[in-house]
Amino acid sequence: GAVVSQHPSRVICKSGTSVKIECRSLDFQATTMFWYRQFPKKSLMLMATSNEGSKATYEQGVEKDKFLINHASLTLSTLTVTSAHPEDSSFYICSAPLGGSPYNEQFFGPGTRLTVL
Amino acid sequence: AQTVTQSQPEMSVQEAETVTLSCTYDTSESDYYLFWYKQPPSRQMILVIRQEAYKQQNATENRFSVNFQKAAKSFSLKISDSQLGDAAMYFCAEWAGGTSYGKLTFGQGTILTVHP
Repeated sequence: GAVVSQHPSRVICKSGTSVKIECRSLDFQATTMFWYRQFPKKSLMLMATSNEGSKATYEQGVEKDKFLINHASLTLSTLTVTSAHPEDSSFYICSAPLGGSPYNEQFFGPGTRLTVL
Repeated sequence: AQTVTQSQPEMSVQEAETVTLSCTYDTSESDYYLFWYKQPPSRQMILVIRQEAYKQQNATENRFSVNFQKAAKSFSLKISDSQLGDAAMYFCAEWAGGTSYGKLTFGQGTILTVHP
C-alpha cells in the first residue's frame, strides 16, 4: 500500500532554534497534505493544510509565522518550527490522502517527536 | 463546524470477547464520511474501517463492524473476538463535504486495553 514517511522520527533541540520536519509520499503524488499535532494520550489536532504550489491553510489559533509550511513538490511537504520553545514539544504527524475521493484511504506518516529543551 | 465526540476515555475487554466503542458526531453537511482509526503504541495511525453517510448498510471489515445510526448521528465500532494486538488508542473521525478534501475531524480517542 501507499506509504508516507517522516524525517526525522525524533529531534531534540535547544530553545530558540528552528527545526524542520519532512513529510514525503513515497509512491504516490499528494497535492494536499495535512499536519497534525498530538499530545500524549490526546487526539490529533489539525494544524494546517499543505497545498502543493500554493500557500498553506492554517487552522484557527495556529501561528503561521511560527509553523512554516512549504509544499514544494507533489511528494514533499515540510513543517518548520521556528524559534522553538519548550511548549512546542509535541508529536507531529503528517498525512496525505490517496486519490481523488475522500473515501480513499488517507495515509499517515509515523510521526516526529519534538523535544525542545 | 464539525464535532466528533468519544465519551469513553478508556475501555477494556477480555481476549476473545466483544467490545463496542462509541462515537457521536455533529455536522450540517449532507455528504460526509466516517472513519475509525487505530493508533497502537508505535503511534502509526491505521485505518480500521470507513463508512459513507449515504450508505445505509453498516460497514464490516473482518472482526470490525460499525453501527451507523444516521438520524442519531452515532457511529460505534464493534470489535469481535478481541485480540491482544487490538490494544491501542482508537479514534473516530469525520470528513464532511464542503471542507478541504481529506480534512478530518477527530474525536478525543478511546484507549482500549485487551486482557489475556
